[in-house]
Amino acid sequence: AQTVTQSQPEMSVQEAETVTLSCTYDTSESDYYLFWYKQPPSRQMILVIRQEAYKQQNATENRFSVNFQKAAKSFSLKISDSQLGDAAMYFCARPFTSGTYKYIFGTGTRLKVLA
Amino acid sequence: GAVVSQHPSWVICKSGTSVKIECRSLDFQATTMFWYRQFPKQSLMLMATSNEGSKATYEQGVEKDKFLINHASLTLSTLTVTSAHPEDSSFYICSASQGSLHGYTFGSGTRLTVV
Repeated sequence: AQTVTQSQPEMSVQEAETVTLSCTYDTSESDYYLFWYKQPPSRQMILVIRQEAYKQQNATENRFSVNFQKAAKSFSLKISDSQLGDAAMYFCARPFTSGTYKYIFGTGTRLKVLA
Repeated sequence: GAVVSQHPSWVICKSGTSVKIECRSLDFQATTMFWYRQFPKQSLMLMATSNEGSKATYEQGVEKDKFLINHASLTLSTLTVTSAHPEDSSFYICSASQGSLHGYTFGSGTRLTVV
């Protein structure tokens, strides 16, 4: 079965500190994309970062970076210098299969940022 | 950037009535849109793929006669919840792709409450 697993239902981080959210997935494909989405209290889904599986280099977007371990099928999100506005639900996602825009989402991790 | 408008943002209806939710891509054409459902504190579950000019493709377990999808133009998809019941109360989110695998844009969601 194709799954996306987020094992941390909730995480807390002190403002200005660093936090890592975990995600593992299952796939039989060699080329695919992975995504992290943020859903703040407004419930608007916002793309945080994406990773192309064939790229060795980990993606980075400002304070957000990923640790992509292809062999381990692991795709964790690191948030540096956490800000109060980072508080949200974070979902890891991947397409059902390469070439499709249908996504499978993980169960989500609720991130709390403590002032 | 790409913008997807979803309307209404919330709606309350009586059991047995039908409700229509609109999803519009404002600055791009979307041949494919997706409809998701999200229960409180849960992840997004794909309901169906809306294809412009053809029938929607429903995921397993989704009643196509209850959740009618129409994609009449390249910028508009509608989801009609027919004969709504309280168990249909949920948060519905649409999304659209500009044609790449680099993630797609979500609407702001519609909170449906059936009383």
